[in-house]
Amino acid sequence: DGGITQSPKYLFRKEGQNVTLSCEQNLNHDAMYWYRQDPGQGLRLIYYSQIVNDFQKGDIAEGYSVSREKKESFPLTVTSAQKNPTAFYLCASSTGQLGEGYTFGSGTRLTVV
Amino acid sequence: GENVEQHPSTLSVQEGDSAVIKCTYSDSASNYFPWYKQELGKRPQLIIDIRSNVGEKKDQRIAVTLNKTAKHFSLHITETQPEDSAVYFCAASRGSGTYKYIFGTGTRLKVLA
Repeated sequence: DGGITQSPKYLFRKEGQNVTLSCEQNLNHDAMYWYRQDPGQGLRLIYYSQIVNDFQKGDIAEGYSVSREKKESFPLTVTSAQKNPTAFYLCASSTGQLGEGYTFGSGTRLTVV
Repeated sequence: GENVEQHPSTLSVQEGDSAVIKCTYSDSASNYFPWYKQELGKRPQLIIDIRSNVGEKKDQRIAVTLNKTAKHFSLHITETQPEDSAVYFCAASRGSGTYKYIFGTGTRLKVLA
């Protein structure tokens, strides 16, 4: 199924809770990314990782955290510090080479209840 | 800062007509421009891309043109079909790097039968 798997598909979070979104790829890609998608705002970069054990903040990293302990995995934690977490979250991976587009996961829709 | 503007936000065309979506980027060092199609409830899929050393690229009914001087690029879909209905995103690489893309805000294309 495209080689990159996100879970769960739907997630509900209570106020003050931390939640973790899973992203796993079997494409042997070095680079992985997390994007947030809101209506009318396109895709905004949260965090990205070019290599295992290294990651960088994107444009909207506040309230989020990530880890990259394995090449295949790049989980995203939405912390209670993220004031408006309701959104569609997309994970992507790439080889990192010029001219290589992203492969996206199928997304996780997070809703605060 | 770096940004990509995309127009129009919605586009309705009759089946068989052509559709054109335009994007403008701000970073003159951007050198890779992919286009993604996202059907309702599904992941974005790469449909075509272009590098900065090429002015035009075609793939069956879709084509992309790039004007580096004006810093804009466009997606052209000819002989539109109902299955072309989706949200289309343009993107530009950040500088000459390959790891991060800036996405446009998306165009919702409706092909009317």
